[in-house]
Amino acid sequence: AQSVTQLDSHVSVSEGTPVLLRCNYSSSYSPSLFWYVQHPNKGLQLLLKYTSAATLVKGINGFEAEFKKSETSFHLTKPSAHMSDAAEYFCVVNKDTGRRALTFGSGTRLQVQP
Amino acid sequence: DAGVTQSPTHLIKTRGQQVTLRCSPKSGHDTVSWYQQALGQGPQFIFQYYEEEERQRGNFPDRFSGHQFPNYSSELNVNALLLGDSALYLCASSLASSGRSNEQFFGPGTRLTVL
Repeated sequence: AQSVTQLDSHVSVSEGTPVLLRCNYSSSYSPSLFWYVQHPNKGLQLLLKYTSAATLVKGINGFEAEFKKSETSFHLTKPSAHMSDAAEYFCVVNKDTGRRALTFGSGTRLQVQP
Repeated sequence: DAGVTQSPTHLIKTRGQQVTLRCSPKSGHDTVSWYQQALGQGPQFIFQYYEEEERQRGNFPDRFSGHQFPNYSSELNVNALLLGDSALYLCASSLASSGRSNEQFFGPGTRLTVL
């Protein structure tokens, strides 16, 4: 079975400091991994995706994530937080067998303090 | 280019009633998936439609059913509503031939409240 574990339910940072949102996955297959962001009262937006090409993936708004197979991790980072980054972030896995159901983590709420 | 659209935005029903939610996929997409997001949780996969057939189903009871039309739009039906069905229902569309990338585009959701 495939699953993702987001290690922190809440993360609080100051504006201008680095962001680290942690995600571990388990999958019997070579997975595709995604990070989605959900702003209040808005739909889910794809930040970035890993599909077995480069292990360091760059996304929108300065976010990036590194796929580490040995650690089964796919942590999301950003060098400098902005107030507009405050939102809910979801780590998502898709088993690479042609099925396309996404499995979401429980989410990490990012707060950015001025 | 319109993205994924869902209707209605909000809905209030009482226990035992039935509800139908609607979704129009992003232009060019042929696959529609439905997810339930309870308050404070991540979305849970309900089912997926492609070529007007249910292709995959999550761990949801038969009270949850769906349909896909020839124009790729989709409906989610829930019968005999329970209080626990209160949630944000998200529709996502994708292109079946996208393979590993499988980028799904999400609509804004329908907020269902069951009283």
